[in-house]
Amino acid sequence: DGGITQSPKYLFRKEGQNVTLSCEQNLNHDAMYWYRQDPGQGLRLIYYSQIVNDFQKGDIAEGYSVSREKKESFPLTVTSAQKNPTAFYLCASSRSNTEAFFGQGTRLTVV
Amino acid sequence: DAKTTQPTSMDCAEGRAANLPCNHSTISGNEYVYWYRQIHSQGPQYIIHGLKNNETNEMASLIITEDRKSSTLILPHATLRDTAVYYCIVRVYGTGTASKLTFGTGTRLQVTL
Repeated sequence: DGGITQSPKYLFRKEGQNVTLSCEQNLNHDAMYWYRQDPGQGLRLIYYSQIVNDFQKGDIAEGYSVSREKKESFPLTVTSAQKNPTAFYLCASSRSNTEAFFGQGTRLTVV
Repeated sequence: DAKTTQPTSMDCAEGRAANLPCNHSTISGNEYVYWYRQIHSQGPQYIIHGLKNNETNEMASLIITEDRKSSTLILPHATLRDTAVYYCIVRVYGTGTASKLTFGTGTRLQVTL
């Protein structure tokens, strides 16, 4: 099936540890995005990428890093510098000016 | 970047039309208006988008004012399964060839019997 896959669905992290969230798409989309959602809040853009080996900071990039070595993959690393990482993380992809497709999200909890 | 303003919440009776407004008064000429919805704890689902003409698909209709400063999403016959948060988004272009999606506050639509 074509689509966008995020893994894992649930993730627990100890304070001070880095953790990487996976996002893979087989839709041949050029653009990929990472969003963060806190309870009862809207989506906030962390990073986005239009092409391989290129990405731009969104509105809340501090404490996060990304890579785009392959068109299909856009992993997000939540570093220890992110002071409040517990949230719902959503990945999306799109062609240059068409609708975006979202994954089902990863819920990260710091324990 | 163009920003959007939506009411925080709305109610609609099942079977009636749900009309969800969105203001985007700073929209630029080449920016599209997109609508998504999010059911609790799921990824957002695309509904419809448009530039300046009204659009219709199997899910909804999008009415954009002539000056493009506001739009309305219409669900013609709302059902309980349409209960969700609805986001109005203006597609903006960033540096270089990159573009990004900037979400508004969203409207929580509650469909009731």
